[in-house]
Amino acid sequence: GDSVTQTEGPVTVSESESLIINCTYSATSIAYPNLFWYVRYPGEGLQLLLKVITAGQKGSSRGFEATYNKETTSFHLQKASVQESDSAVYYCAVNYGNEKITFGAGTKLTIKP
Amino acid sequence: GPKVLQIPSHQIIDMGQMVTLNCDPVSNHLYFYWYKQILGQQMEFLVNFYNGKVMEKSKLFKDQFSVERPDGSYFTLKIQPTALEDSAVYFCASSSQLGGYEQYFGPGTRLTVL
Repeated sequence: GDSVTQTEGPVTVSESESLIINCTYSATSIAYPNLFWYVRYPGEGLQLLLKVITAGQKGSSRGFEATYNKETTSFHLQKASVQESDSAVYYCAVNYGNEKITFGAGTKLTIKP
Repeated sequence: GPKVLQIPSHQIIDMGQMVTLNCDPVSNHLYFYWYKQILGQQMEFLVNFYNGKVMEKSKLFKDQFSVERPDGSYFTLKIQPTALEDSAVYFCASSSQLGGYEQYFGPGTRLTVL
């Protein structure tokens, strides 16, 4: 069935270092689902970080980037230089053309000052 | 940005009782959702709702669950009767359109069934 797999947390990175959180999805329902990264900052609700709905395109927000790779069915989240304020839980999510979103398990990211 | 509110933030009830979780969606949104996250597990889709009707539901949306939004008031999830396995955080979301448009999420209601 439809599923999303992402880097298992927790992940700890030092400030100013680079980051990658891996995400792969299954493509059993449809070939080209819509892809999202959501983020939950401490004490806040889930919010959309970025989304890409076209294969081959890259989305970016707040210094984060993710590219929709249909060959590898991946949507890895990357940032060149993290900040302490990036500490949060990150969720990869996929919409398979119906009206629900399938979420990954979440990756808790802690940035060390 | 647009905000979805959920009331209460935490609810503790005894097994077998009824509970209603309330969601105040973004004001001009027409599509509403509930998701369930058991502690330590993934957030999972329960149901979506539009124009007074359930459009799609998952196998987690048991017969004891119901949703409604009477006359533009809160979008509610009612569980009657509750069971121990209903303990989870329930997230409400809303969107302005279908087809992969952004869903805005509330902060969640933590339900504890004793």
